[in-house]
Amino acid sequence: KNQVEQSPQSLIILEGKNCTLQCNYTVSPFSNLRWYKQDTGRGPVSLTIMTFSENTKSNGRYTATLDADTKQSSLHITASQLSDSASYICVVSAVPLDSNYQLIWGAGTKLIIKP
Amino acid sequence: DAGITQSPRHKVTETGTPVTLRCHQTENHRYMYWYRQDPGHGLRLIHYSYGVKDTDKGEVSDGYSVSRSKTEDFLLTLESATSSQTSVYFCAISEGNREEVQPQHFGDGTRLSIL
Repeated sequence: KNQVEQSPQSLIILEGKNCTLQCNYTVSPFSNLRWYKQDTGRGPVSLTIMTFSENTKSNGRYTATLDADTKQSSLHITASQLSDSASYICVVSAVPLDSNYQLIWGAGTKLIIKP
Repeated sequence: DAGITQSPRHKVTETGTPVTLRCHQTENHRYMYWYRQDPGHGLRLIHYSYGVKDTDKGEVSDGYSVSRSKTEDFLLTLESATSSQTSVYFCAISEGNREEVQPQHFGDGTRLSIL
């Protein structure tokens, strides 16, 4: 069964510190992996997408990595800011041969940045 | 921000009553989606639409119906609401159905409580 698991479920860090969020997936056939940021009371917003051939991609203070062999992705946040407090959601795309294109969503990591 | 408006933003109703949620977009995107988001779960697809009057079921479609009579509007109906349908409902839109082309853009959700 296609699954996406994220860890930790929640994380509290001090402003200015770095953190890394994990996403492990068992999705086949893999197409791509995207990270979304969801502020409280808002819908998710895309941060970055990783395709099969990409290992690392940065978007400002956010750096995503992908290891397609171990089926793991991470999202590293550098020099955290209070505005980084949000849930971060990993979603993996699959393109099965016998059915439609699918998105498998993780449950998210809730990140709290404390001053 | 993508032009997506969900209404109402909050609703409390009783078991057995019909409920309709509305999603309105100003982007002229072909694809529209309804998701529900519950604690401990990833976003779960209820129904989606790939054009006017063209809709299909998602993974949790039981108890829900949808209609799309115009490109800009996608309605989600709970014919007879149950307490298990208490959730936050998100509408999303996309130009295409492939995540590597572009992400889905989400509304800010409708918080529905069924007592």
